[in-house]
Amino acid sequence: KAGVTQTPRYLIKTRGQQVTLSCSPISGHRSVSWYQQTPGQGLQFLFEYFSETQRNKGNFPGRFSGRQFSNSRSEMNVSTLELGDSALYLCASTSSLGQGNHYGYTFGSGTRLTVV
Amino acid sequence: DAKTTQPPSMDCAEGRAANLPCNHSTISGNEYVYWYRQIHSQGPQYIIHGLKNNETNEMASLIITEDRKSSTLILPHATLRDTAVYYCIVRVNGTASKLTFGTGTRLQVTL
Repeated sequence: KAGVTQTPRYLIKTRGQQVTLSCSPISGHRSVSWYQQTPGQGLQFLFEYFSETQRNKGNFPGRFSGRQFSNSRSEMNVSTLELGDSALYLCASTSSLGQGNHYGYTFGSGTRLTVV
Repeated sequence: DAKTTQPPSMDCAEGRAANLPCNHSTISGNEYVYWYRQIHSQGPQYIIHGLKNNETNEMASLIITEDRKSSTLILPHATLRDTAVYYCIVRVNGTASKLTFGTGTRLQVTL
């Protein structure tokens, strides 16, 4: 089956602009998480959605937001972009949040965002 | 989530077993040990996880000490394609529990 699909793969934006990234989870997966990866901070958790509800949130400013649709696809939005937002943004999906989740998260290849 | 400590880098000859250690001395009774790896420019890839028993799958083996304060990921016959950063993570299974990535171990497999 198809893996986690993230679009676009690469993006260049200017400071002050906003950006929307998209993630399509594996078919049947209802949980989608987002991570930011930078050389300085490594992989950091942004937020997790399950059944269209945000279930967990990392320590990022309110400029970072997300949502999940009824088909489990998710988008994240970053407003008022700063140079420091340049990063690889990764999306991961898993089948559930409950005790049946024993197979870990499947990650997409990410969207590389460059802010200039 | 409990923290983990891993060596920053390791080398392994191709064909040999790669043994990657991880310390998680503050692990709680309901936390699992997960291993992921990230090959350059790709998203992390799930390898294996366990609670207290040793686990094996087609990719690797996971050995967890009896006191659960440390574990070792074993790649039995490392290949050049196993060159990656390996992350050891402890996490409560289920619930809305995020993955907390540390700095990982950069494994370099050489000819």
